[in-house]
Amino acid sequence: DVVMTQSPLSLPVTLGQPASISCRSSQSLVYSDGNTYLSWFQQRPGQSPRRLIYKVSNRDSGVPDRFSGSGSGTDFTLKISRVEAEDVGVYYCMQGTHWPHTFGQGTKLEIK
Amino acid sequence: EVQLVESGGGLVQPGGSLRLSCAASGFTISNYWMGWVRQAPGKGLEWVANIKQDGSEKYYVDSVKGRFTISRDNAKNSLYLQMNSLRAEDTAVYHCGTEATWGQGTLVTVSS
Repeated sequence: DVVMTQSPLSLPVTLGQPASISCRSSQSLVYSDGNTYLSWFQQRPGQSPRRLIYKVSNRDSGVPDRFSGSGSGTDFTLKISRVEAEDVGVYYCMQGTHWPHTFGQGTKLEIK
Repeated sequence: EVQLVESGGGLVQPGGSLRLSCAASGFTISNYWMGWVRQAPGKGLEWVANIKQDGSEKYYVDSVKGRFTISRDNAKNSLYLQMNSLRAEDTAVYHCGTEATWGQGTLVTVSS
């Protein structure tokens, strides 16, 4: 199985400051169709997961533009340009290129 | 409004069976791959199973192969997960959805 490794696992951030989460895969996530199926999810306390980003850098509908995704191959990053209180929760990267789809361990974002 | 509502969870003894259902509204599931993701208490996300739009392809994580069966009824706009030979490690909240949208989940507890 493809192992997804996130860092850091805990991310204390001051309101209004930027935040960045790294995700590395044990294999290339480039699919045979040329696409890279790397997504980012947010899970707020007590809620179901919500996809923020798909295919590395595409924001889902309704996702604030302070969220951005980048990367290629095996290295990916989620950035939040200015953290707001509503961003508290756990963030997961997920690869959908290889079966079984696999998630990272999760990064817990909290406000300092 | 897009909505996914899971049902069928509960307490079951090891070795028992449960059938989870997922009712979709606000969109037509026949246009999408559908899947089940689970989250054990206090743990991260794990993708369990996936099924193609017409049901012709199904994928399972190794830990549930031969025990779980994913199915769909596009006419009823519904997704299912038949879970047999349940183990304590299957205890989790099970969410159904497309990758972009997930329901609130149903809790499955396997315990004697």
